[in-house]
Amino acid sequence: SQQGEEDPQALSIQEGENATMNCSYKTSINNLQWYRQNSGRGLVHLILIRSNEREKHSGRLRVTLDTSKKSSSLLITASRAADTASYFCATDSLNSGYSTLTFGKGTMLLVSP
Amino acid sequence: DVKVTQSSRYLVKRTGEKVFLECVQDMDHENMFWYRQDPGLGLRLIYFSYDVKMKEKGDIPEGYSVSREKKERFSLILESASTNQTSMYLCASSLVGTGVDTQYFGPGTRLTVL
Repeated sequence: SQQGEEDPQALSIQEGENATMNCSYKTSINNLQWYRQNSGRGLVHLILIRSNEREKHSGRLRVTLDTSKKSSSLLITASRAADTASYFCATDSLNSGYSTLTFGKGTMLLVSP
Repeated sequence: DVKVTQSSRYLVKRTGEKVFLECVQDMDHENMFWYRQDPGLGLRLIYFSYDVKMKEKGDIPEGYSVSREKKERFSLILESASTNQTSMYLCASSLVGTGVDTQYFGPGTRLTVL
C-alpha cells in the first residue's frame, strides 16, 4: 500500500541553489521520515518529523509537515554536487496489525557543478 | 557504528533455482525488514520480523519466504526464482518497538534471474 508520493519525480539544479522536494500522503500518520539513496546503494536516514511538529532542521536540511494538507517538504539549502541522490519520504502505516514504514517512489535530484 | 551487511552485492541466478539472500546486523536490533526496489515502483515491503522466529508478510510476499533463527540474521528465500523477481533487494533493521523507528539499510543485493 503506497502512502507517500514525492513530487517532482526528478529535479535538476546548479550547485549553490536550493532544492525543494514535496511528499503527499493519504492517511493520518504518527511521523514522517526522509531518506536519501545514492545510486545503487542502500537508503540512509536523514530526518524524522513527528505529527505534532511543524518544522525541523538538521544542518542544511529543513523539513516541514502540514498534517491538515497531508504533505511534507524537504528543503536542501546551498546544494552541492554530493547531494546528487534520490530522496524518499516514508510514513508509518499498519501492516498485519504492526506499524511499518511505507516509502514513496522518490525524487531524483541532480546537482550540477 | 550501525552496520547492516548483505551477503552479495550482485547475484545472477537461473529460473527455478532456490535463492538465499542473507542479511546481518550488528546493532542488536529487534526489527528486521526485506524490501525490493524497482524503477517506477519505489520500495515495497516483502516480509518483516519483530523478534526471533517471528515473521509477518508485507505488501508483496508472494514467491518469497523468510527465516529468522537468530536475532542478528534475517534471510530472504526465493523458493523457485522467476524472471519477475529480478530486482534490487534491500534489508533494513530498526531498534525496538514498532517499525516506525529509524531504519538502517544494507547496501542492497542486485539480483538478476535469467
